Amino acid sequence: EPEVTQTPSHQVTQMGQEVILRCVPISNHLYFYWYRQILGQKVEFLVSFYNNEISEKSEIFDDQFSVERPDGSNFTLKIRSTKLEDSAMYFCASSPITSGGTDTQYFGPGTRLTVL
Amino acid sequence: DQQVKQNSPSLSVQEGRISILNCDYTNSMFDYFLWYKKYPAEGPTFLISISSIKDKNEDGRFTVFLNKSAKHLSLHIVPSQPGDSAVYFCAASGHTGNQFYFGTGTSLTVIP
Repeated sequence: EPEVTQTPSHQVTQMGQEVILRCVPISNHLYFYWYRQILGQKVEFLVSFYNNEISEKSEIFDDQFSVERPDGSNFTLKIRSTKLEDSAMYFCASSPITSGGTDTQYFGPGTRLTVL
Repeated sequence: DQQVKQNSPSLSVQEGRISILNCDYTNSMFDYFLWYKKYPAEGPTFLISISSIKDKNEDGRFTVFLNKSAKHLSLHIVPSQPGDSAVYFCAASGHTGNQFYFGTGTSLTVIP
């Protein structure tokens, strides 16, 4: 069964450094998402991406964040200058189609980001 | 803003009994609801969904009930099995966007 994959599983970085989290969505899916979950808190939406552009983003997704689909398979989340509070589990998700949020999103296993 | 709430952080149930997980929401524009199950060190896994035009959806041992007037949904698992032990997240979305709002999760433990 196809699944969303994410690399690395754990990323440790120094505050102020740039990190790139990578995701390979399910191949025939058209919508891609990033979520994060700070330890002990709820899963929070960051951004959705469709047709090579951001379709929706939350207030968490500020200028420090960017997303890219550099080729036909990868979907990346870049954090330009990491802060301690960026430490969280980052989940990538994809869905085949969406019409106003009525489609199931399939999640990857997550990347645990630790900012020291 | 806590648009989706799961007020019980944990629940313990004996194997074979019914597990009932509850979720409340505040945004009346939500029209699609899902339950995800999450094991440690894994991403959320889709379990079951319901749209606002229905009040019940059943899939095997899992049934989701939606009460729109009360802005409440629940997930019933019967019979509960030890493999059901996980964190369950309720999520909701509205027809104007594709972002999901998640609850804080309920950790279910099914005791053999």
